[in-house]
Amino acid sequence: AQSVTQPDIHITVSEGASLELRCNYSYGATPYLFWYVQSPGQGLQLLLKYFSGDTLVQGIKGFEAEFKRSQSSFNLRKPSVHWSDAAEYFCAVGPTSGGYNKLIFGAGTRLAVHP
Amino acid sequence: DVKVTQSSRYLVKRTGEKVFLECVQDMDHENMFWYRQDPGLGLRLIYFSYDVKMKEKGDIPEGYSVSREKKERFSLILESASTNQTSMYLCASGNSAVAYEQYFGPGTRLTVT
Repeated sequence: AQSVTQPDIHITVSEGASLELRCNYSYGATPYLFWYVQSPGQGLQLLLKYFSGDTLVQGIKGFEAEFKRSQSSFNLRKPSVHWSDAAEYFCAVGPTSGGYNKLIFGAGTRLAVHP
Repeated sequence: DVKVTQSSRYLVKRTGEKVFLECVQDMDHENMFWYRQDPGLGLRLIYFSYDVKMKEKGDIPEGYSVSREKKERFSLILESASTNQTSMYLCASGNSAVAYEQYFGPGTRLTVT
């Protein structure tokens, strides 16, 4: 069965520091991979997605992620974090059994940013 | 911009009440989804719909039902609310031609007392 693991529940970084959020997936074929961000009191917003091709994908708000098939990972990175990046981040994978564009989400990583 | 709206941001209901959560999207999307979000568990799919009057169970459908009478509207129904249904409920919609991309509403935080 497909699954997504985000090993870090909470991460704290200083403003201006670099960031890497980890995501590992379990899937038998090449997955579709997503990162979403949820700011406090908001719904989820798509940051970036990987379907095929270049394994380094660029997203909004200065984020990027790299697909590494050998490690079953899709880690999210940002070179310099801003205070406004404090939020919860979710990794997701598709397709899932039964189709219909369903996704499986990880448990999330909550990012705190210190000034 | 895609807009997904949910009828309430906060809702407090009593045990045993029938609860309706409404979701409306304005992008003519075929697919609509209801999730619940709990700390440490991420998002779990309750039900989804791929067309008007069509519905499929997700991973945790017990205690819930749904209705999709119009393409733009997808309702989640708690037939008899229980305290273990206290949660954040998120609605999403997606265009079936754009694989797996989902747009989310702001969520409804439901408290059942």
